[in-house]
Amino acid sequence: AIQLTQSPSSLSASVGDRVTITCRASQGISSALAWYQHKPGKAPEVLIYDASSLESGVPSRFSGSGSRTDFTLTISSLQPEDFATYYCQQFNSFPITFGPGTRLEIK
Amino acid sequence: QVQLEESGGGVVQPGRSLRLSCAASGFTFSTYGMHWVRQAPGKGLEWVAVISYDGRTQYYADSVKGRFTISRDNSKNTLDLQMNSLRADDTAVYYCAKRGNSGQYFQHWGQGTLVTVSS
Repeated sequence: AIQLTQSPSSLSASVGDRVTITCRASQGISSALAWYQHKPGKAPEVLIYDASSLESGVPSRFSGSGSRTDFTLTISSLQPEDFATYYCQQFNSFPITFGPGTRLEIK
Repeated sequence: QVQLEESGGGVVQPGRSLRLSCAASGFTFSTYGMHWVRQAPGKGLEWVAVISYDGRTQYYADSVKGRFTISRDNSKNTLDLQMNSLRADDTAVYYCAKRGNSGQYFQHWGQGTLVTVSS
């Protein structure tokens, strides 16, 4: 199975900050990567798919980049509603796998 | 709009069985592969199983292979997960999810149903 690692595992930031989360795959996955935002008690929501495509309705402050094994999610200017846990997910091959998550907290 | 509604969760003893269902609406169910994803308390997201649009192909996570069975009824727009030989570490919120248009990511999710395996 393809392993995904994320860094950092947790992050404290302030409203207005620029934040970058990285995701590394144990082998090449082309651009078959998605990013999700997950808040307690709610369903996860897809932000980015195909490594860099913005899901419809997602604010443009979210962006994704990367290919093969190294990927990033960037939030250009944090808003109060962005404090959540973020997961990457690879869909290059089964079994589908998720990264362990990055918890984004208010500083 | 796409709606996915899970049901069937509850408390079950170890070794017993439980069947989850997901009612889908707002899209042409018979043309999309569907997934189950779970999150154990305090843990991250874990993919569980996928079924193709026509029900002919299924894949499972190693952790549930041989114990769980995913199925669908395209005439009723429903997705099921039959869970047998349940263990404590199957305790989780279970989400059904619709695949994306361009790949096996999860474009739409239900609100989840909690399964607790405990004696």
